[in-house]
Amino acid sequence: EDQVTQSPEALRLQEGESSSLNCSYTVSGLRGLFWYRQDPGKGPEFLFTLYSAGEEKEKERLKATLTKKESFLHITAPKPEDSATYLCAVSIPYSGGGADGLTFGKGTHLIIQP
Amino acid sequence: NAGVTQTPKFQVLKTGQSMTLQCAQDMNHNSMYWYRQDPGMGLRLIYYSASEGTTDKGEVPNGYNVSRLNKREFSLRLESAAPSQTSVYFCASSESREGEQYFGPGTRLTVT
Repeated sequence: EDQVTQSPEALRLQEGESSSLNCSYTVSGLRGLFWYRQDPGKGPEFLFTLYSAGEEKEKERLKATLTKKESFLHITAPKPEDSATYLCAVSIPYSGGGADGLTFGKGTHLIIQP
Repeated sequence: NAGVTQTPKFQVLKTGQSMTLQCAQDMNHNSMYWYRQDPGMGLRLIYYSASEGTTDKGEVPNGYNVSRLNKREFSLRLESAAPSQTSVYFCASSESREGEQYFGPGTRLTVT
């Protein structure tokens, strides 16, 4: 069964303290890996798409990387406004029997303290 | 651009009542999706529509029906609500089946 596991479940950092969030996946033929940010009471906000091992994407203080088994979301010198839940999701080939749509991990709840 | 809009924002139903959740997107996307989000479970796909005129079941379709009214609109109907359907419902859309999905603000549904 295809699975997406995110770790840690929760992470508390001091402002400026860099760290990484992990997303490991076991899927039969990855079509794409997606990172989202979700603030309380709101819908997920798209951050990055990664399609192949070795690919990297950056946006402000965030950088996402992808290997054959996992993805990392690196947060450099975070600020309090980076506090949110970060969700990882994978898309698998629909021709292989999977439905369209994304399979999500349970997320990492990130708190950045001033 | 409003992106993906959902109505209502909040709803309380009694067991057995029916209702329809509305979703519309103004990005000219082909594919649309309905998810539910429950504590400790993450987001799970209920139904999706790969293109106008088609709909298919996702991971948790029981108790729901959908209608792709036109390219812009995709509705989710609960025919006889049950307490197990208490959840936050999100609609999403994407340009293609492979592309990133954009989510609406959600509908918070409570079934008593």
